[in-house]
Amino acid sequence: DVVMTQTPVSLPVSLGGQASISCRSSQSLVHSNGNTYLHWYLQKPGQSPQLLIYRVSNRFSGVPDRFSGSGSGTDFTLKISRVEPEDLGDYYCLQSTHFPYTFGAGTKLELK
Amino acid sequence: QVQLKETGPGLVQPTQTLSITCTVSGFSLTSYYMQWVRQTPGKGLEWMGFIRSGGSTEYNSEFKSRLSISRDTSKNQVFLKMNSLKTEDTGVYYCARGLAVMGDWGQGVMVTVSS
Repeated sequence: DVVMTQTPVSLPVSLGGQASISCRSSQSLVHSNGNTYLHWYLQKPGQSPQLLIYRVSNRFSGVPDRFSGSGSGTDFTLKISRVEPEDLGDYYCLQSTHFPYTFGAGTKLELK
Repeated sequence: QVQLKETGPGLVQPTQTLSITCTVSGFSLTSYYMQWVRQTPGKGLEWMGFIRSGGSTEYNSEFKSRLSISRDTSKNQVFLKMNSLKTEDTGVYYCARGLAVMGDWGQGVMVTVSS
């Protein structure tokens, strides 16, 4: 199985500040069709995961442009600029290039 | 408006079978893949499997021997059945819509495996 390693585990931030989360995969996430199926989710307390970014860098419907995704191959980053209170929670990366799909262990974004 | 809602037993005894229903609205099951994901204290988020828009299935080998996903398109329902439950299967079970990316999720249903 593809192992997804997220860092850091916990990320204290100040409101209005910037956050950066890393996700590394144990093998390349480039599919044979040329697409890279790496996605980012935010899970707020008591809620289901919500999709933020799909296929590395595409913002899902309604996601503010403060969220951006980048990366290639095995190394990916989610950046959040101008952090707002509603951005706090657990962030997960998901790869769906290889079966079985696998998630990272999560990064908790919390107030400093 | 797309909606997904999971319903299940809440408490299941070890060795028994878990049955969860995902009832959807706002779209057709014959047009979308439907996924099952669970979140447990021990392993976090785990992809369990999906049923394709055409009705065939794909499972995580971690669960393959005891997991079954099916659907009733006339009732807009997708079903998860998993047998031989263990205490480690305690967690929240989600259905979600999408193929390679799951854009819409249900609220989840908490399942506790305990005697």
